[in-house]
Amino acid sequence: AQSVTQLDSQVPVFEEAPVELRCNYSSSVSVYLFWYVQYPNQGLQLLLKYLSGSTLVKGINGFEAEFNKSQTSFHLRKPSVHISDTAEYFCAVSDQGTSYDKVIFGPGTSLSVIP
Amino acid sequence: DTGVSQDPRHKITKRGQNVTFRCDPISEHNRLYWYRQTLGQGPEFLTYFQNEAQLEKSRLLSDRFSAERPKGSFSTLEIQRTEQGDSAMYLCASSLGRMVAGELFFGEGSRLTVL
Repeated sequence: AQSVTQLDSQVPVFEEAPVELRCNYSSSVSVYLFWYVQYPNQGLQLLLKYLSGSTLVKGINGFEAEFNKSQTSFHLRKPSVHISDTAEYFCAVSDQGTSYDKVIFGPGTSLSVIP
Repeated sequence: DTGVSQDPRHKITKRGQNVTFRCDPISEHNRLYWYRQTLGQGPEFLTYFQNEAQLEKSRLLSDRFSAERPKGSFSTLEIQRTEQGDSAMYLCASSLGRMVAGELFFGEGSRLTVL
C-alpha cells in the first residue's frame, strides 16, 4: 500500500521569497504523483501531476515539482510566493497498476505567506 | 456552475441520528469518490464508484456507512446512528478516469458536526 509523508505541517514564508514543500512517498509499485491545493473555504484542486517522462513538472500559478525516484520524493517549489498562495497543500500518490484512480493523500502542509 | 456539487454544505446532528449527503458529479464523469477529511489531516479514501458499481470500500467505512450511486449519476452517502467520531468534512470527487489519470475534481464538501 502506498503512503505519503509531508515533513512540514506548517510553513511560514515572506512574500516574494522562495518556498519548498517537501513530500516523500512509499510504494512497492510504480506510482503517479500529484500536488493538490486547497484554498480557504474552497474544494481541493489539482496543482500539478507527474505521470511519466520529464521529472520536472510545471503546474498552475508558477509552481513546479521534481520527481526523484531514488529518494522517493516529489517536492513542490515556487521561486517567489504571493499572498494568494496561502493555502493547504497536499501531496498525493496513485498506483499505476490499478484500474482506477484511488488517490492517497498526505497530511498536508499549511503555507502561510507573510506580507 | 458545472463543477461537483455537494449538499448540504453543513449538517449539525445529535448523536444517534441518521444523516445523508448528496453529491452531484461533473456530468460526463463516470468515476465518483468519497473521502473524509478531519482537521489537520489529508483526505482519507472511503469508497469509489465506476458508473453505478461500487468497486471498493475502505476499511474505514464501518457498517453504519452506506453509499449508493443508483443511476450512475449522483451519489448519496448515509451515516446511520451517528457518533461524535463521525464529525468531519465529507468530500466528493469525480473524474473522467485513466484518460486524465489522477485528476480528481472535488466538491466543496459537506461538514458534519455530531453533538
